[in-house]
Amino acid sequence: DIVMTQSPDSLPVSLGERATINCKSSQSILYSSDNRNYLAWYQQKPGQPPKLLIYWASTRESGVPDRFSGSGSGTDFSLTISSLQAEDVAVYYCQQSYSIPITFGQGTRLEIK
Amino acid sequence: EVRLVQSGGGLIQPGGSLRLSCVASGFTFSNSWMHWVRQTPGEGLVWVSRIDTHGGNIKYADSVKGRFTISRDNAKNTLYLQMNSLRAEDTAVYYCAKDLPGGFFDYWAQGTLVTVSS
Repeated sequence: DIVMTQSPDSLPVSLGERATINCKSSQSILYSSDNRNYLAWYQQKPGQPPKLLIYWASTRESGVPDRFSGSGSGTDFSLTISSLQAEDVAVYYCQQSYSIPITFGQGTRLEIK
Repeated sequence: EVRLVQSGGGLIQPGGSLRLSCVASGFTFSNSWMHWVRQTPGEGLVWVSRIDTHGGNIKYADSVKGRFTISRDNAKNTLYLQMNSLRAEDTAVYYCAKDLPGGFFDYWAQGTLVTVSS
């Protein structure tokens, strides 16, 4: 199974500041035949299901604010929020779909400093 | 508007069975692969199972293989998860989710709690 490891586990950031969450896969999730990274990012707020933010490592889902961006390739990925807003307080997860079983990172709790 | 509405959770004794249902609307259900994902405070998000458009390509997590069965009824726009031989470690919030080609989950149901306890 591909293990997804996020860092940090908890991230305090001031409003308006940049937040960066990292995700590392135990093996490459870049598929050579289509040159795509099978990596997504989700946001989950209390009492709600996860919400898709980013897929293919850097493609923003429709309706997601452009302050959210994804980057990386191979085994190392990042989710960046350029200017933290109060409504961004949530737990963020990365997920790989390169191989079955699909696996998620353990989550990063983003909070206001 | 895409909607996924789940039902069927609850409290069940170890060794018992339960069936979850997920009714879809707002998209062409018969054209979409579907998944079940569960979540616990300890394990986080765990993928459970996936089914293709007509049930010919099905995958399970090792932890549920042989005990859980995913299925769908395209005429009823409904996804199912039959859970047998339930264990305490199956206690979780279960979500059905729509597949965005590539194995991502673009829409999620509200989730249903399954508690396995005597």
